[in-house]
Amino acid sequence: EIVLTQSPGTLSLSPGERATLSCGASQSISSGYLAWYQQKPGQSPRLLIYGVSSRAAGIPDRFSGSGSGTDFTLTISRLEPEDFAVYYCQVFGSSLWTFGQGTKLDIK
Amino acid sequence: QMQLHESGPGLVRPSETLSLTCTVSGDPISTSSYFWGWVRQPPGGGLEWIGNAYYTGSTNFNPSLKSRVSISVDTSKNQFALNVSSVTAADTAVYYCVRQGRTLLRGTFDNWGLGTLVTVSS
Repeated sequence: EIVLTQSPGTLSLSPGERATLSCGASQSISSGYLAWYQQKPGQSPRLLIYGVSSRAAGIPDRFSGSGSGTDFTLTISRLEPEDFAVYYCQVFGSSLWTFGQGTKLDIK
Repeated sequence: QMQLHESGPGLVRPSETLSLTCTVSGDPISTSSYFWGWVRQPPGGGLEWIGNAYYTGSTNFNPSLKSRVSISVDTSKNQFALNVSSVTAADTAVYYCVRQGRTLLRGTFDNWGLGTLVTVSS
């Protein structure tokens, strides 16, 4: 079973800044089935990125995903006020689906 | 627009069975493209995948919960259901029903219900 570790636990930035969120895997994710989700308080999570770097429908292009092997990154190029939320990475492999513990992005 | 809606008791007694149903609207559950699953989130905590089912009835489960969990599909009602037996306070969480990509958006959770809070308490 792949374990995902997200860092940092909390990231404090200002609107307009660039955010870089990391997701490390305990073993190489050769399948490419790595996704990112955004969850705002009181809401259900929303799919942002799938297949490491493909944006889901309706997701603004300021969100981008990258990485390979065991190291993956979600980048938000210029933070908008609505981007402050919790972000989760997630992997699929061997009929198991696993989430990271989340990174909270809050306003500085 | 496809929607998922969870229903079931908000309070379950310790040692009893938690039972939830998810009603799917806007899309047939009997599709080869998706699995139908459950994710839970304890208060203030992260996301935990519980398991899923294909419309044929085949299932996949989180190994940490496998001994207590079952998921069934009713294609005639376009619903799927979750049972968690022998619950404790640690099972208190918001439970989400989800659509999981099988051939389309493979490996992802692309649609989520609003979630329902289930509290385990006597």
